[in-house]
Amino acid sequence: QVQLQESGPGLVKPSETLSLTCAVSGYSISSGYYWGWIRQPPGKGLEWIGSIYHSGSTYYNPSLKSRVTISVDTSKNQFSLKLSSVTAADTAVYYCASGYGSGSFDYWGQGTLVTVSS
Amino acid sequence: DIQMTQSPSTLSASVGDRVTITCRASQSISSWLAWYQQKPGKAPKLLIYKASSLESGVPSRFSGSGSGTEFTLTISSLQPDDFATYYCQQYNSYFFTFGPGTKVDIK
Repeated sequence: QVQLQESGPGLVKPSETLSLTCAVSGYSISSGYYWGWIRQPPGKGLEWIGSIYHSGSTYYNPSLKSRVTISVDTSKNQFSLKLSSVTAADTAVYYCASGYGSGSFDYWGQGTLVTVSS
Repeated sequence: DIQMTQSPSTLSASVGDRVTITCRASQSISSWLAWYQQKPGKAPKLLIYKASSLESGVPSRFSGSGSGTEFTLTISSLQPDDFATYYCQQYNSYFFTFGPGTKVDIK
């Protein structure tokens, strides 16, 4: 069973870079699956941020593409999100998730709230 | 970009009711459609993938149908644990989009 756990600062200042990490257990991150980040502003719906495949290919939401980087660290079995030039609109619960060929996200982390504020 | 819509946005129902939620894609996505259930303060939970395949462990009262641009999620007999928000999600050429959600609350 794949387990995911997000970690990172809960408070980020405007214009700075938001950095989160998702630790994966129960599966080798390099063996397959796709790994993604999804966010949810308070009281709102889900927004896909981007995904990285076991091949290393990345795909980003066009609305965020210029500010997003997703990467994998196979030595630590984890993947990361960087979102630059953040504003208050980036305040959200950030989830990491994974899927395997079904076009869906089968496993989710518990989510972490990131607030953008000075 | 493929856009997703859901209807209704809110649905009031009683225990035992049959509930149907509709999701539409702005262009054909074949059967690359998933449904999730989310409760307050919790991560979404996968219910249905590839439009009609029931995720392991999900009760059989949940079912999905459709292809192309129109899809439905049906709960055959609503249970107290089913009051939640439901999201559809499409997958097309490595990109994902979620629908805006349908909140199912108690009538």
